[in-house]
Amino acid sequence: DADVTQTPRNRITKTGKRIMLECSQTKGHDRMYWYRQDPGLGLRLIYYSFDVKDINKGEISDGYSVSRQAQAKFSLSLESAIPNQTALYFCATSEPGAGANVLTFGAGSRLTVL
Amino acid sequence: DAKTTQPPSMDCAEGRAANLPCNHSTISGNEYVYWYRQIHSQGPQYIIHGLKNNETNEMASLIITEDRKSSTLILPHATLRDTAVYYCIVHSRDDKIIFGKGTRLHILP
Repeated sequence: DADVTQTPRNRITKTGKRIMLECSQTKGHDRMYWYRQDPGLGLRLIYYSFDVKDINKGEISDGYSVSRQAQAKFSLSLESAIPNQTALYFCATSEPGAGANVLTFGAGSRLTVL
Repeated sequence: DAKTTQPPSMDCAEGRAANLPCNHSTISGNEYVYWYRQIHSQGPQYIIHGLKNNETNEMASLIITEDRKSSTLILPHATLRDTAVYYCIVHSRDDKIIFGKGTRLHILP
């Protein structure tokens, strides 16, 4: 099984629907992240969490919310999906060492909003 | 905004060394340099990181200039499977981790 698992892998929905993307990890990492990727572009940070009681906004948090239900689970919600939220979404985890902080990514969730 | 500048694309012949440059002229003392790559639309994969010394692992070598304002990722013997987008990022341990657009590396047969 993958260390970082994202569900669903693919989702097609309609404008105005509520959508939740889920991320779970077996690495025992404290830190978790959600990124968005649009075609031909790099990754943009949506939200990140350094532990269960910590939630931080990233570069593009408007229109999204997150929930850190447990150390192993970090969910991303779109309360009312819109077409420009069509993108590939990645979850990542990390456990910082002495000075470095290396990310481990999931396989991605492709979301299409019609 | 991303703290690094990379060329949008590069070509390299199969079997040759691929040298991918990255500028990070505003890097601060506690920020590490990290490299990831993304093959097609898969999740990005960690390659290597360093603070000021050159680093090597089974995937690649990282050369950081003495002033730390730039670095080069070296894939010693590129194969077609190394075709990917390569991201160079810099951040400290507790920073937001911001990616740029990376370099699209084409390995030519």
